[in-house]
Amino acid sequence: GAGVSQSPRYKVAKRGQDVALRCDPISGHVSLFWYQQALGQGPEFLTYFQNEAQLDKSGLPSDRFFAERPEGSVSTLKIQRTQQEDSAVYLCASARGSGELFFGEGSRLTVL
Amino acid sequence: GENVEQHPSTLSVQEGDSAVIKCTYSDSASNYFPWYKQELGKRPQLIIDIRSNVGEKKDQRIAVTLNKTAKHFSLHITETQPEDSAVYFCAAIPKDTGRRALTFGSGTRLQVQP
Repeated sequence: GAGVSQSPRYKVAKRGQDVALRCDPISGHVSLFWYQQALGQGPEFLTYFQNEAQLDKSGLPSDRFFAERPEGSVSTLKIQRTQQEDSAVYLCASARGSGELFFGEGSRLTVL
Repeated sequence: GENVEQHPSTLSVQEGDSAVIKCTYSDSASNYFPWYKQELGKRPQLIIDIRSNVGEKKDQRIAVTLNKTAKHFSLHITETQPEDSAVYFCAAIPKDTGRRALTFGSGTRLQVQP
């Protein structure tokens, strides 16, 4: 596609619900990143994939967060048993290698 | 890990004036320093970047300078226009660690007054 696509754009969840956020990167980009952006803050690193391999998940805040990219293209970020502090914009970005990141529009998660 | 500090957090200038945003980083092995612009409700977009083998890079009204000794880099916008109003983020990536992900600063909200 023309750019990084994320869905849903907006998600409202009740505390305790599970959510799944999808990222469709730019075709051919081997690197894929997930970031969490709280209101008024910079993006905070969550996890990184090179093709289907999850090379770094050191930024995931708890074991309730899980990400996968099984075929080296589309990625899903799953949050189990959502908490209010999980409310944020979740940004996905892809890159050809280690250079410029191309971000998606983000998925805004609100946990009530 | 990498630490990136950015200031000021907000900056208001008159149209036509210059704006300067500064960042410091902690990892002396860092070798790539991009700047991203994020308009309200939009995705961050790269506006300029610099690698550690050069000290300055310019692209029309935008320039970035890098001081490796002091471990800081700056974004300079000249002849500011209202459409430059946005949040700007600096970032750095360490060279020889396992992490390939950018660490971002906390952002500078730039407001250009017409």
